[in-house]
This record gives sequence, C-alpha cells and structure tokens, in this order.
Amino acid sequence: AQKITQTQPGMFVQEKEAVTLDCTYDTSDQSYGLFWYKQPSSGEMIFLIYQGSYDEQNATEGRYSLNFQKARKSANLVISASQLGDSAMYFCAMREGGGGNTPLVFGKGTRLSVIA
Amino acid sequence: DADVTQTPRNRITKTGKRIMLECSQTKGHDRMYWYRQDPGLGLRLIYYSFDVKDINKGEISDGYSVSRQAQAKFSLSLESAIPNQTALYFCATSDSIGVTSRHFFGPGTRLTVL
Repeated sequence: AQKITQTQPGMFVQEKEAVTLDCTYDTSDQSYGLFWYKQPSSGEMIFLIYQGSYDEQNATEGRYSLNFQKARKSANLVISASQLGDSAMYFCAMREGGGGNTPLVFGKGTRLSVIA
Repeated sequence: DADVTQTPRNRITKTGKRIMLECSQTKGHDRMYWYRQDPGLGLRLIYYSFDVKDINKGEISDGYSVSRQAQAKFSLSLESAIPNQTALYFCATSDSIGVTSRHFFGPGTRLTVL
C-alpha cells in the first residue's frame, strides 16, 4: 500500500488565488513528520514546510500553510495568493518514527500551473 | 557554496556501461540517501546509509550498488546500465534529530542510457 498518496496529478490556479494540494498518508506510528517539497522546472528540490504528528497547530511558512487533519490522515498544502513562480511540481513526504532512522517516503507529486 | 554536490550533473551513456554517480556534502550529516525520480512516479529510494559502516537497500536497489567512502561521500554505481535506468538521480542528506529531520538535496544528476 502506498504510504503517501497525492491524488491530483495536475492542477491549475489563477494568479493571486489560493490553491490546495492534497496529500493523504498511511502509518501506524504515533510519531511521524510530514514534509512538502517544491520542484521547479530547473529540477532542484526545495523544502517548503514541515508538520509533526504531535504539533497542535497547523504549520505555516509565509504563503504556505499545512492543513493537518490527523484523524483523516491528511496533510494538505495551501498556497495563498498564488504567483507565477509557484508553477512547479509539489511533493508530499513522510518520515515515520523509529528515532528518525527512516528515510523520507514521497508521493508521486502534483504539477501546479499558475495562470496569469 | 552548495552543501550537497553531485557529479556529473548530466550523463549520457550506452547500455552495458558501468556508471558512477558521486555525491559529496559539507553539512556534516551522518545520513545520506540516493533517490531516483521518474515522471509520474515521484522519488523512490535506492539506497541509504546512516554512517560509513551502514548501508541499507531501499525500495528499488536492484541493478545498483553504493559505496560510502567517508562521512561526506556516498557514491551510486550502475554496474551495467540499461535504458530503464534513465532518470533523474538525487542524493540527499539528513541529520539524526528524529522525525523532524528533513532531507537536504543535491541538484540532481540527469542520466540517459541509450
């Protein structure tokens, strides 16, 4: 079974609008971390935001926020006020417990296109 | 200066050739990883290492081998390259703080096997 599921292969959003990229995860661990990375067309992987399973508040980093719903096992990325530079692939990833001795597991990604 | 470097950045080779992709890091991290990215499949783990004496297979290790020459260096080898190993390869590092520890990625190596 997939540990990270991103159901939206591609999405379009109008510039200045908000957009939500979906991510659901599967784990039986109580301690885990959820990450979002951005990959622009240049190819590099850029870390955006982190949410811990015990964090009571949703994580925020500038225009990025994470809508964390633990009971639903979802960790959706919300980008507010989209910009043309937000056009990229976005990957959700999870690190399960075990003292941090596990690599990140990635979803298949969502390609976001921002339209002027 | 980049903290995680990969060489080469691009490589075109022929079926059956031996290829080595190299990764170096100046972050002082113990943990290093190799992933490959294919369109529509996301990043998949090939091998990972938690220190110089520790090597672990990932999800898709068949056809690959690795060497951890030092804390800062982790190499990926394709002993006999085949066309379906054409992909974008990433090296990554992390520290050992726990679940909060994120990966720091190199710029990637684009490998084409003809």
